[in-house]
Amino acid sequence: NAGVIQTPRHKVTGKGQEATLWCEPISGHSAVFWYRQTIVQGLEFLTYFRNQAPIDDSGMPKERFSAQMPNQSHSTLKIQSTQPQDSAVYLCASSLDGDTQYFGPGTRLLVL
Amino acid sequence: QQQVRQSPQSLTVWEGETAILNCSYEDSTFDYFPWYHQFPGESPALLIAIRPVSNKKEDGRFTIFFNKREKKFSLHIADSQPGDSATYFCAAKAGYQNFYFGKGTSLTVIP
Repeated sequence: NAGVIQTPRHKVTGKGQEATLWCEPISGHSAVFWYRQTIVQGLEFLTYFRNQAPIDDSGMPKERFSAQMPNQSHSTLKIQSTQPQDSAVYLCASSLDGDTQYFGPGTRLLVL
Repeated sequence: QQQVRQSPQSLTVWEGETAILNCSYEDSTFDYFPWYHQFPGESPALLIAIRPVSNKKEDGRFTIFFNKREKKFSLHIADSQPGDSATYFCAAKAGYQNFYFGKGTSLTVIP
């Protein structure tokens, strides 16, 4: 069991560029969660899929952030026109039962 | 409105003491309350969790105490070890909804 896989592990973008982050959940897990973690804000919920369907995206900044789960083996988080305040560690977690979450190693995004 | 509040922000205890970390919540429909720990450079990992049917859950040196009436739950780490030094997050969720996390407690255990 390789655990949750996130790529890339580090990404540096220039202000205004697009960033796409990938998550491969643990095989067989039906729920995928995306979070953003910063020192100041802590761990912030972004969005949640269950059986590939979007369940809750209440944490997503509406204008520039989007997430998809086109199949059960991967999910993507896309940030358009990145801003310095988007710099954070983006964490993906998957769950078999919706309760016990297994976090991936995260993608550290730096927007210059 | 912050759904889950966590205190203290930081805590220092001596090796062997019991560390107590506290959380409170707003939504009475929450039915799952996990605690995570996160070591520097790593991702959060589930430590222990409780459902409101119980007021206590133990796993080795880690115990959750749950008070439904006061909407509070706490993590007690008995016989604290330097290896327990980490950031601890409490969380809560209701049914198939998303998780709400506390801001975290940075625990330092001094040998």
